[in-house]
Amino acid sequence: DTAVSQTPKYLVTQMGNDKSIKCEQNLGHDTMYWYKQDSKKFLKIMFSYNNKELIINETVPNRFSPKSPDKAHLNLHINSLELGDSAVYFCASSQVQGSGELFFGEGSRLTVL
Amino acid sequence: DQQVKQNSPSLSVQEGRISILNCDYTNSMFDYFLWYKKYPAEGPTFLISISSIKDKNEDGRFTVFLNKSAKHLSLHIVPSQPGDSAVYFCAASAGGGGSYIPTFGRGTSLIVHP
Repeated sequence: DTAVSQTPKYLVTQMGNDKSIKCEQNLGHDTMYWYKQDSKKFLKIMFSYNNKELIINETVPNRFSPKSPDKAHLNLHINSLELGDSAVYFCASSQVQGSGELFFGEGSRLTVL
Repeated sequence: DQQVKQNSPSLSVQEGRISILNCDYTNSMFDYFLWYKKYPAEGPTFLISISSIKDKNEDGRFTVFLNKSAKHLSLHIVPSQPGDSAVYFCAASAGGGGSYIPTFGRGTSLIVHP
């Protein structure tokens, strides 16, 4: 009964491929996020979805696209993968009008060869 | 453009002593600050937070201090325990419209020696 779950946990793929990472939350939260932790260890916001509406997109390349089939899911699709996409991707959720506290998944480590 | 800075990548402390983790920010619009703790192969978990209307918030062994004029906050852990060994992320957010999307620092790795 993990609150925020991501799959797969590890993903190794070749440059140019298209891949997806799935995220589900069972907390009943209204907002979900994708963060990228790069080699410099910063956690950088990529997307935020509130009630199926994209509310922020931090200059992420359009090869990345979030898809939210419902309030409990926010999947990340990446097209034409590049070496620089190698990172750990974290999904998170929060209440919209809450304290700003985010609940994170365990992370998905993507390695592009 | 690092709006949240954690300049110490690592900190080593003896069990029972105080651990002090520091964080600086540049954006004066930030009004809510959070600390997250992260173990290897896990996602960050919320630890403690503080609003800009306060200068101190305490929760058990953890206390966060905020100095708005210096744009500086710190996390104190007393007494430190080996189980506290983890990476600690400082985060800050700007309210208004309920957006509250935190900006994170790069983390400080705390090692508590028995």
